[in-house]
Amino acid sequence: GAVVSQHPSWVICKSGTSVKIECRSLDFQATTMFWYRQFPKQSLMLMATSNEGSKATYEQGVEKDKFLINHASLTLSTLTVTSAHPEDSSFYICSARAGFAGDHQPQHFGDGTRLSIL
Amino acid sequence: GQNIDQPTEMTATEGAIVQINCTYQTSGFNGLFWYQQHAGEAPTFLSYNVLDGLEEKGRFSSFLSRSKGYSYLLLKELQMKDSASYLCAVMDSNYQLIWGAGTKLIIKP
Repeated sequence: GAVVSQHPSWVICKSGTSVKIECRSLDFQATTMFWYRQFPKQSLMLMATSNEGSKATYEQGVEKDKFLINHASLTLSTLTVTSAHPEDSSFYICSARAGFAGDHQPQHFGDGTRLSIL
Repeated sequence: GQNIDQPTEMTATEGAIVQINCTYQTSGFNGLFWYQQHAGEAPTFLSYNVLDGLEEKGRFSSFLSRSKGYSYLLLKELQMKDSASYLCAVMDSNYQLIWGAGTKLIIKP
């Protein structure tokens, strides 16, 4: 149980392109989804937290207009990197959690999306 | 500020036992998680501790001492496939996960 699917797993595109990444919880309802970015040999960096039906909460330093997050249902959240540039190249990982914050449920991760902007 | 400390890298031998330590200072505590992350892959959940003591799951065990702000992950009968980074994460009073930088574990034959 607790499977999270993330697509695509790998994207290469030209600078200025917008890229959409999908994160789905396959066998549970995810009240909260998280988007992380990870650079090589570095720790996970939380970008934003999204709750179904409400606006995402972005971490300090993360541009809301650059990284658009939509959590339209209890099983789907999307991250759109708008007008991507080479410095946006990274490993993007989503995670999903069932229940509410006080339930102490673990986050379950998707397989990640490796984004390369040329 | 909030801080999670764990060793950057550890080396162990196949078949042996290794203990990965994690110390934390956070605003509140609502549990500690351990995750395993293989290179180029997303993390996978290993264990969760919220009460003091040892939780055992097969070859992996996790220990917590809340008064000391300390946890460890114990891996027994090490296998080559255990080579990975091990991430310690603490859930603070706002139920946010605070992540450690991870410990890269290298297993040698």
